[in-house]
Amino acid sequence: NAGVTQTPKFQVLKTGQSMTLQCAQDMNHNSMYWYRQDPGMGLRLIYYSASEGTTDKGEVPNGYNVSRLNKREFSLRLESAAPSQTSVYFCASSEPGTAVRNTIYFGEGSWLTVV
Amino acid sequence: DQQVKQNSPSLSVQEGRISILNCDYTNSMFDYFLWYKKYPAEGPTFLISISSIKDKNEDGRFTVFLNKSAKHLSLHIVPSQPGDSAVYFCAARESSYKLIFGSGTRLLVRP
Repeated sequence: NAGVTQTPKFQVLKTGQSMTLQCAQDMNHNSMYWYRQDPGMGLRLIYYSASEGTTDKGEVPNGYNVSRLNKREFSLRLESAAPSQTSVYFCASSEPGTAVRNTIYFGEGSWLTVV
Repeated sequence: DQQVKQNSPSLSVQEGRISILNCDYTNSMFDYFLWYKKYPAEGPTFLISISSIKDKNEDGRFTVFLNKSAKHLSLHIVPSQPGDSAVYFCAARESSYKLIFGSGTRLLVRP
């Protein structure tokens, strides 16, 4: 049972380069998310997709774009990477339902360094 | 301005004793609160949650207490075990799709 799978796990980029983080879930969840985690900041929501075909901005969307390719896949693109985007990125998915079951399942993270 | 705050970046307790992790929030509209546990090089995993209409929820060794008047919640782990050593994130639900996370508390349980 893979759950949420994200690639790559590690990446070093030069300032101005572009890249795409890939994410796939096998739990048939409708909603998917991209978070970033920075020291002392917790996890902050970048973008989310409530269901296939929809995407919305989260707390920190600037510098990112997303694509909900299908129900399984949700990608995050950095068009022109900046050192401030050095972070650990987590993809997640959930199935909105009753609040007790409205928990979010996270991938293992992607470590991105922009030099 | 952080809506969910975990003011203790770290906590160290002896195995077998109680661990108490604290979290404060500012938005009275949050309807659910959750705790996540994170090991190094892994994603956070859901631990326990509590509705804003309750003041306590228990699951085995883990209990979450909610004090709405103080806008404060705490996670109690009894007894603490070395395998509990991890970073614990408090989160508050703002909408069906948005969780606001605290900055985390690193718990070390000493054998």
